Amino acid sequence: DSGVTQTPKHLITATGQRVTLRCSPRSGDLSVYWYQQSLDQGLQFLIQYYNGEERAKGNILERFSAQQFPDLHSELNLSSLELGDSALYFCASSQTGFGETQYFGPGTRLLVL
Amino acid sequence: EDQVTQSPEALRLQEGESSSLNCSYTVSGLRGLFWYRQDPGKGPEFLFTLYSAGEEKEKERLKATLTKKESFLHITAPKPEDSATYLCAVQAEGGSEKLVFGKGMKLTVNP
Repeated sequence: DSGVTQTPKHLITATGQRVTLRCSPRSGDLSVYWYQQSLDQGLQFLIQYYNGEERAKGNILERFSAQQFPDLHSELNLSSLELGDSALYFCASSQTGFGETQYFGPGTRLLVL
Repeated sequence: EDQVTQSPEALRLQEGESSSLNCSYTVSGLRGLFWYRQDPGKGPEFLFTLYSAGEEKEKERLKATLTKKESFLHITAPKPEDSATYLCAVQAEGGSEKLVFGKGMKLTVNP
């Protein structure tokens, strides 16, 4: 158990809908990262927050957004969902970030029908 | 652009048959190289972090090494419970703290 929690574990929804994925980092960790894992692309970095502020953006679509709250939990919002958004979404956390190990949560499996 | 290539993509071993997994990387400057293990439908589980060429780390039957261009994960006398996908990732110096992952290597150890 990494100490990172994610909810829900599974999500099934329809195209065009909007969903919210939630992540609680390990106790004491200030950085939260979101990654997407699909069969053909592997693990891809989406976005990072550090202590409530956006720190880095990766290949995140404009339809996706995220935020980190004062209690340090983070939410990833996915809107106007398409079939291709079906994937595993992982959250990871680290104390600060530079050179530190990122610990991953169990993931949310999203299926868009 | 930072890149990570893992080989082979899949590997089948008999229990007790030692082998090595390769991770080649291209980064402007390496801040750290990370090895993770991932079981089907689960999140990546941290194994090792390596920071500089020549560094080695061990844990049970696994040993990770690092050179300036690649890293190896050596598996000694593997057991069926070592079956998993092994992921290699790099974090580059300067700017983003994101991890750039390889596509992984699926290891199957037969009893």
